Amino acid sequence: AQSVTQPDIHITVSEGASLELRCNYSYGATPYLFWYVQSPGQGLQLLLKYFSGDTLVQGIKGFEAEFKRSQSSFNLRKPSVHWSDAAEYFCAVGARGGSYIPTFGRGTSLIVHP
Amino acid sequence: GAGVSQSPSNKVTEKGKDVELRCDPISGHTALYWYRQSLGQGLEFLIYFQGNSAPDKSGLPSDRFSAERTGGSVSTLTIQRTQQEDSAVYLCASSPGLAGKETQYFGPGTRLLVL
Repeated sequence: AQSVTQPDIHITVSEGASLELRCNYSYGATPYLFWYVQSPGQGLQLLLKYFSGDTLVQGIKGFEAEFKRSQSSFNLRKPSVHWSDAAEYFCAVGARGGSYIPTFGRGTSLIVHP
Repeated sequence: GAGVSQSPSNKVTEKGKDVELRCDPISGHTALYWYRQSLGQGLEFLIYFQGNSAPDKSGLPSDRFSAERTGGSVSTLTIQRTQQEDSAVYLCASSPGLAGKETQYFGPGTRLLVL
C-alpha cells in the first residue's frame, strides 16, 4: 500500500517570497501524484498532477512540482507567493493498479504575511 | 457546468441521533468517494463507489456508518447513533473513472457537529 508524508504542518512566508512545500511518498513503483489546495470553507481543488514523462509539472495559479524518483518526493513550488495562496495544501498518491483509492497526506497549512 | 454539491452545509445534532448527508456528483462521473476530515487531520477515506460494482467500504470506521448510491448518481452517507468523535467535515468527491489516475472533484463538504 502507498503512503504520503507531508512533514510540515504549517509554513509561514511573506508575500512575494518563494515557496516550497514538501511531499514524500512510499510506493513500490512510480505512482500517480497530485497536489490539491483547499481554501477556507471550500472543497479541494486540483493544482497539478504527474503521471509520467517530464518530471517538472506545471499547474494552475503559477504552481509547479518536481517528481524526484531517487528521493521519493514531489515537492510543490511557487516563485512568488500571493496573499490569496493562503490555504491548506494536500499531496496525494494514486497507485497504478491494485487499490484505486488515492492516499492523502495530512496537509500543510500555508500562512502568508503581508 | 455544475460541480459536486453537498447538503446540508452544516449540521448540528445531538449525541445518539441519526444523520444523513447528501452528495450530488458531477453528471457522468462513475466514481464517487466519501472522506472525513477532522481538525488538523488529513483526509480519511470512508467509502468508494464505482459504477455498478459493489462499493469499497474498507474505510468505514464502524457499523454505525453506511452509504448508498442510487441510480449511479446521488449518494447518501448515514451515521447512526452519532457520537461526539463523529464531528468533522465530510467531503464527497467524484471522478470520471478510476481514482488512482483520475482527478477527483470535491464538493464543499458538510460540517457535522455532534453535541
